[in-house]
Amino acid sequence: SQQGEEDPQALSIQEGENATMNCSYKTSINNLQWYRQNSGRGLVHLILIRSNEREKHSGRLRVTLDTSKKSSSLLITASRAADTASYFCATDLNTGGFKTIFGAGTRLFVKA
Amino acid sequence: KAGVTQTPRYLIKTRGQQVTLSCSPISGHRSVSWYQQTPGQGLQFLFEYFSETQRNKGNFPGRFSGRQFSNSRSEMNVSTLELGDSALYLCASSPGGDRAGYTFGSGTRLTVV
Repeated sequence: SQQGEEDPQALSIQEGENATMNCSYKTSINNLQWYRQNSGRGLVHLILIRSNEREKHSGRLRVTLDTSKKSSSLLITASRAADTASYFCATDLNTGGFKTIFGAGTRLFVKA
Repeated sequence: KAGVTQTPRYLIKTRGQQVTLSCSPISGHRSVSWYQQTPGQGLQFLFEYFSETQRNKGNFPGRFSGRQFSNSRSEMNVSTLELGDSALYLCASSPGGDRAGYTFGSGTRLTVV
């Protein structure tokens, strides 16, 4: 089963609006990562937040992590049509080696 | 620097055949992971290699295997292909240890007919 689950499954917004995606996970983690995937292509790493961090920023991206609730959120501010993609959260399990488990993703569509 | 290179990009195979996919990680990256992506199951972890050793394995049958060479290049092999093996296979590399996330290749799209 998936370790991370994103919510919502799909999101459609107008250009300029903010987009918020949520991720919940089940077990303790070392860190949580967010990735973007454009249709049928490889994933692009966006941001990594460690388990002892609560918030992180990168350009128009803001990620929060609440380990007590086992949840994270990704906020994209002032969205652009080019932000249209699927967004995945991924959690790193320290299993004596690293095992990164991806959620099912949120499909974001930004209308111009 | 060069990214993660996966070859071939597209592949069509017949049921029962076997296939080998290749992944060249970013220079200096010692950890290579493989994922299978399908519309129904999403991204499923296959295995992770570090310095030629498999450190983790996902819940896939023994038909799926992999290896890593001393130059960190990795291959995965699927034997006795089934229709359900049709998927995008993604390779990702990282330096290993305290990492800053994966760098993914563009994937190999395998179609089994």
